[in-house]
Amino acid sequence: KQEVTQIPAALSVPEGENLVLNCSFTDSAIYNLQWFRQDPGKGLTSLLLIQSSQREQTSGRLNASLDKSSGRSTLYIAASQPGDSATYLCAPERYSGGGADGLTFGKGTHLIIQP
Amino acid sequence: DGGITQSPKYLFRKEGQNVTLSCEQNLNHDAMYWYRQDPGQGLRLIYYSQIVNDFQKGDIAEGYSVSREKKESFPLTVTSAQKNPTAFYLCASSIENVEYFGAGTRLSVL
Repeated sequence: KQEVTQIPAALSVPEGENLVLNCSFTDSAIYNLQWFRQDPGKGLTSLLLIQSSQREQTSGRLNASLDKSSGRSTLYIAASQPGDSATYLCAPERYSGGGADGLTFGKGTHLIIQP
Repeated sequence: DGGITQSPKYLFRKEGQNVTLSCEQNLNHDAMYWYRQDPGQGLRLIYYSQIVNDFQKGDIAEGYSVSREKKESFPLTVTSAQKNPTAFYLCASSIENVEYFGAGTRLSVL
């Protein structure tokens, strides 16, 4: 059974800092891995998707890497802003012979960027 | 507007009552999913459906039921057998293995 661990659980930093959020997973048989953002009481917003054959993806100030063999992914946030404050969730997509079978989520990193 | 619509936003259940959460999508996605979110536990998969008239149990299916009679609809019923239904429920659909989420339904027990 896939288990996903996110470190740190919470992070509070002044704006402008570059940040690294870590994700590890136990089963490397994944279809892809997504990073999501969740604002309080809201649904999820997909930030980045990395296919299992890829090593990294970039979108604006966000960069995500994937090392499938070691079961690790990292989300890098450059020049953090107060609007980046949210919970960030890592979710590898499970894979079976029939196709992708849903996401397994970590508990998230609760990020606060201080103005 | 294309997207995933969950309703209601807030729902209250009396003890012993079945309640149904609605999830509708107009994205023409084949696959749909239901997740439950509890504080400190992250999201967990309840049920998923990769095609109409077919669905599979996820990690925590006990006490829940679903149907997939139409491509655009995947309702979730929380039955009286689910002893701890209070949670935030998220529906998702996917295409090419990228999942898109609705805004969620918060279920509470009276």
